[in-house]
Amino acid sequence: EDKVVQSPLSLVVHEGDTVTLNCSYEVTNFRSLLWYKQEKKAPTFLFMLTSSGIEKKSGRLSSILDKKELFSILNITATQTGDSAVYLCAGGGQTSYDKVIFGPGTSLSVIP
Amino acid sequence: NAGVTQTPKFRILKIGQSMTLQCTQDMNHNYMYWYRQDPGMGLKLIYYSVGAGITDKGEVPNGYNVSRSTTEDFPLRLELAAPSQTSVYFCASSYSGGGGRGNTIYFGEGSWLTVV
Repeated sequence: EDKVVQSPLSLVVHEGDTVTLNCSYEVTNFRSLLWYKQEKKAPTFLFMLTSSGIEKKSGRLSSILDKKELFSILNITATQTGDSAVYLCAGGGQTSYDKVIFGPGTSLSVIP
Repeated sequence: NAGVTQTPKFRILKIGQSMTLQCTQDMNHNYMYWYRQDPGMGLKLIYYSVGAGITDKGEVPNGYNVSRSTTEDFPLRLELAAPSQTSVYFCASSYSGGGGRGNTIYFGEGSWLTVV
């Protein structure tokens, strides 16, 4: 059965800390790994990773995929209170008919 | 930019009542989805559609029905509401499915449903 596992499930850090969120996946016909940020409402798209070892960056956020180990990490440097959110990881398959499987999310709280 | 619009945002239902959550998107996306998200849990796929006239069950379809008569609209119907259906419901759409380039999923703002 396809599954996506995230760790930790929750995390509390102080502003300025660096955090690493983990995502492991078992997805049939895997093609890409997606990261979303969910604040109070709907998830918003962060990254899509399809190639192993190539880091994607957006400001203080970066992510990398390891297709051999079936693993991805999301790094946030110099955290700010605005980074407090649930971070969702999802795995997608090769074909248009494959479903995207979401993990349970990591709840990040950044305190001043 | 409307994107994905779902209504209502909040609703309280009594056990046994029925209701329809409306969802429409204006991005000409082929794929549409309904997810539910229980507190502290991830998104669970209820139903999805790959195009007008085509729907399929997701992980948790029991107690729900959908239809897709147009590309834009994908309503979710709850028949005989039960307390276990208390959740936040998200409608979403994407250009294509799976892990392809067009699979960035765009979400509606959510509908908070309580069944008492």
